[in-house]
Amino acid sequence: KAGVTQTPRYLIKTRGQQVTLSCSPISGHRSVSWYQQTPGQGLQFLFEYFSETQRNKGNFPGRFSGRQFSNSRSEMNVSTLELGDSALYLCASIRDSTTDTQYFGPGTRLTVL
Amino acid sequence: SQQGEEDPQALSIQEGENATMNCSYKTSINNLQWYRQNSGRGLVHLILIRSNEREKHSGRLRVTLDTSKKSSSLLITASRAADTASYFCATVRTDKLIFGTGTRLQVFP
Repeated sequence: KAGVTQTPRYLIKTRGQQVTLSCSPISGHRSVSWYQQTPGQGLQFLFEYFSETQRNKGNFPGRFSGRQFSNSRSEMNVSTLELGDSALYLCASIRDSTTDTQYFGPGTRLTVL
Repeated sequence: SQQGEEDPQALSIQEGENATMNCSYKTSINNLQWYRQNSGRGLVHLILIRSNEREKHSGRLRVTLDTSKKSSSLLITASRAADTASYFCATVRTDKLIFGTGTRLQVFP
């Protein structure tokens, strides 16, 4: 069974730009969660999508958004990038419930200059 | 905000020794999960222990859960250099998986 894939793996952007990250979950999994990891704040929950609907949202500004497609693939978008958005962005594939085991992708390392 | 706090923040041991990490959490839980992260990479799920379980084993890993104290511990026996990583506990709060601050384990050959 193929694992979770995230693209791109590395990204360099400048302040004010916009970025889109992609996540393909494990086949048969219906939910995708996104997390931001920084040295200062640790692992923080961004949002979760289940069957194309946002099921839950963390405490991030509206510049962070996401969506899920009918094939369960998910994208997250960050607009008007700030230096503080530099982080490792991780997505997790979940079969159904948030309490299920989450299977993580390798992450996208975003650097904002 | 973090649900869990791991203790210690960092741990250095020699190969062959045991490593114990502790996690405390704040609210009642359905289950508690432990994850490992190698430097700057994705997280790998290690073990899930349900709230009605007290102890669980998986290979060289042993996890205990004390719901009365709202704490869990992860024991890695006979550690190897390849166990060098950060270890996180995670619980669900308000339908979100919330991670602790992590323990950074260094195993020296």
